Amino acid sequence: SQQGEEDPQALSIQEGENATMNCSYKTSINNLQWYRQNSGRGLVHLILIRSNEREKHSGRLRVTLDTSKKSSSLLITASRAADTASYFCATVNYGGATNKLIFGTGTLLAVQP
Amino acid sequence: DTAVSQTPKYLVTQMGNDKSIKCEQNLGHDTMYWYKQDSKKFLKIMFSYNNKELIINETVPNRFSPKSPDKAHLNLHINSLELGDSAVYFCASSPTSPGQRNSPLHFGNGTRLTVT
Repeated sequence: SQQGEEDPQALSIQEGENATMNCSYKTSINNLQWYRQNSGRGLVHLILIRSNEREKHSGRLRVTLDTSKKSSSLLITASRAADTASYFCATVNYGGATNKLIFGTGTLLAVQP
Repeated sequence: DTAVSQTPKYLVTQMGNDKSIKCEQNLGHDTMYWYKQDSKKFLKIMFSYNNKELIINETVPNRFSPKSPDKAHLNLHINSLELGDSAVYFCASSPTSPGQRNSPLHFGNGTRLTVT
């Protein structure tokens, strides 16, 4: 299965600190995406990084991708209590012409005020 | 102006019943999906439709039947509900059409199904 695995499963930090989450996957990918899920809500797309990219930034988010290690990391800088959520990586699995996203197991981030 | 909306938000029903969940997107996307999220937050794709055509059908019991009357709607009907069907079901859409592989998904807020 191409399902990603995330590490750590849970992370608790203080406001203002940085949070780093890691994702590992098993097969070749076209792109890797990160999503956030607040409690009781749907997933929200955060950032997409293509297989030929190594690093991408969006506001306080920084994503890296190492295709040789089949891994990615999401860094949230200067965290806020509102960043408390579950974070999922997802990889695109080619199934012919379909765009099938396979999600990782998620990291639960708690930011203490 | 909700982009992807699902109804109902909560569904509590007894084993053996038949129920439906409805999903509508107003984003003009070509592709819609159903995902199931279990109690451990594991998300698994169930079905995907592109322009009303079924393109992904994962290993799902045939008690689950998706229906897409048009590309803005994707409903999920579940027959003979079982305890193990209890989960949160998410509808999602993407602008992807076959060959375009880089589109993120837009999710609804989920339907929490509890089978007693």
